[in-house]
Amino acid sequence: DTAVSQTPKYLVTQMGNDKSIKCEQNLGHDTMYWYKQDSKKFLKIMFSYNNKELIINETVPNRFSPKSPDKAHLNLHINSLELGDSAVYFCASSQGNPSGYYEQYFGPGTRLTVT
Amino acid sequence: SQQGEEDPQALSIQEGENATMNCSYKTSINNLQWYRQNSGRGLVHLILIRSNEREKHSGRLRVTLDTSKKSSSLLITASRAADTASYFCAPGGKLIFGQGTELSVKP
Repeated sequence: DTAVSQTPKYLVTQMGNDKSIKCEQNLGHDTMYWYKQDSKKFLKIMFSYNNKELIINETVPNRFSPKSPDKAHLNLHINSLELGDSAVYFCASSQGNPSGYYEQYFGPGTRLTVT
Repeated sequence: SQQGEEDPQALSIQEGENATMNCSYKTSINNLQWYRQNSGRGLVHLILIRSNEREKHSGRLRVTLDTSKKSSSLLITASRAADTASYFCAPGGKLIFGQGTELSVKP
């Protein structure tokens, strides 16, 4: 059984479009995350939700909006896509809050290419 | 928040050799985690070491932590081709990841 799943795995779209990436975890975890990994492999946290509440919101353009309909789901909606948004986006979850005491479980990633 | 800085950025060794990767960070931490990322995949947790621990083992992995030097090392003994991956450290609470060390183990 997949612990953390993301859809789609690949997303190719044009500049200016709006797109969404979905994430689901079946681990019963309280906290979920979105990360962006650029071409140089830097992995940067974007958002974190704990029990559907936003607890981490790093410096991310307003075009990015996370939504957590319930504890098991965290979706990422991106408006007006730009070339610089091309990256791999990872969803992750952990049992507790992001204190560093809990290991994170990562999804397989969504490779977004903006042309 | 802080990120760990892994060193070296890339490491190439032969199967059977040991691989050592280092991580440095800037502020005091309660714990530090190491993760592995295979090409095209998400990160997989390897080991967590707490600030009151100096060394921890898990199979062929050995992690050390020196809080006075604000550094950690990950040693993989008797490496295998399957160990080829990028390795990331995440010091402290927010799990900010750096660029990782890209390990290549040649058969």
